[in-house]
Amino acid sequence: DVKVTQSSRYLVKRTGEKVFLECVQDMDHENMFWYRQDPGLGLRLIYFSYDVKMKEKGDIPEGYSVSREKKERFSLILESASTNQTSMYLCASSLYNYGYTFGSGTRLTVV
Amino acid sequence: QKEVEQDPGPLSVPEGAIVSLNCTYSNSAFQYFMWYRQYSRKGPELLMYTYSSGNKEDGRFTAQVDKSSKYISLFIRDSQPSDSATYLCAMNPGGGADGLTFGKGTHLIIQP
Repeated sequence: DVKVTQSSRYLVKRTGEKVFLECVQDMDHENMFWYRQDPGLGLRLIYFSYDVKMKEKGDIPEGYSVSREKKERFSLILESASTNQTSMYLCASSLYNYGYTFGSGTRLTVV
Repeated sequence: QKEVEQDPGPLSVPEGAIVSLNCTYSNSAFQYFMWYRQYSRKGPELLMYTYSSGNKEDGRFTAQVDKSSKYISLFIRDSQPSDSATYLCAMNPGGGADGLTFGKGTHLIIQP
């Protein structure tokens, strides 16, 4: 069964900390994505990547950066965590324009 | 106007009922249409996808797309308590891996 694995289910970080969220997929997919999900706002695209070392901004990239050094791994970086970045973060991968496979999510709380 | 509109619910129906979930959208460039199911504290999982207009059936689930009305639907027949979840519609123009635009999701409750 195909899998997208996010390294942490729950994280608590302090304001101003640099935070790394890791995502690994085992499907040899070209495309990987980071979304955040908030009540009343739904899923919003932060960044995506369609190849190693490539990255594209999504709808809400401010305060975030990403890294894709290997095909299977896509990292989301919060440069200086703030309380408004408290959210559920979802990683996904896909081979085509549909059929995105999501991880189980990381619930991040910034205090 | 939001790109994708979806009633958040909750929608509560008795077991065995036919459920209709809907989304409207404004971007006529959307070509790929998907429905995801999300259980509490889990990531979304793909239920069905449709390319362009038409119907698609998979077991108890039927997806419909009407591009002329910019309206998509998911029907669930013989609904079960295990169908209780949040259902998200999603779509994109295709032609590149530029991410999906999601509706906010409808919370569905199937009463035993």
